[in-house]
Amino acid sequence: EAGVAQSPRYKIIEKRQSVAFWCNPISGHATLYWYQQILGQGPKLLIQFQNNGVVDDSQLPKDRFSAERLKGVDSTLKIQPAKLEDSAVYLCASSSLAGAYEQYFGPGTRLTVT
Amino acid sequence: DQQVKQNSPSLSVQEGRISILNCDYTNSMFDYFLWYKKYPAEGPTFLISISSIKDKNEDGRFTVFLNKSAKHLSLHIVPSQPGDSAVYFCAASGEDYKLSFGAGTTVTVRA
Repeated sequence: EAGVAQSPRYKIIEKRQSVAFWCNPISGHATLYWYQQILGQGPKLLIQFQNNGVVDDSQLPKDRFSAERLKGVDSTLKIQPAKLEDSAVYLCASSSLAGAYEQYFGPGTRLTVT
Repeated sequence: DQQVKQNSPSLSVQEGRISILNCDYTNSMFDYFLWYKKYPAEGPTFLISISSIKDKNEDGRFTVFLNKSAKHLSLHIVPSQPGDSAVYFCAASGEDYKLSFGAGTTVTVRA
């Protein structure tokens, strides 16, 4: 079974530029999550989708971050414009409805904003 | 407001000995607890979990203990192996299935 795929793995941009991350969850997983992990901290949930609907985006800085999950499969997370404090690893995770507590993570995208 | 805390940022243990990782939580609505393991440049990998109706769950060398009254859980690794060197995250969830993570404990297993 293929795992969660993410791209790119690394991205360096200047502040005020925009960036997009892509995630393809495990096949058949209805729920998809985006997390932000700042160095030295645990992952923090940004947004949760179930199929193609948003379940929770209360922690998403909506003035600069946006996310979508078209057709209930893969998803993109965008930052525009980026700030220095957005430097972090962005993790995508998915879970099935049957095993909803256990989330499976992708390798992450390490973003550096200079 | 950090609801899950791992107060030990690092742990060094000799190969073959026991590793004990601790985690405290504040939200009494949490009913499911998980441990994830993370290697550098990889995403976290699910390791073991425990429901709030249990106080112990064992899987091979890994055992998780839950003390609900103290809002405390621990992960025991026996015996510790070099491949266990990684960052371990404690996570907790309620009925909404959203995970709250601790800051992680870096385990180093010495040969």
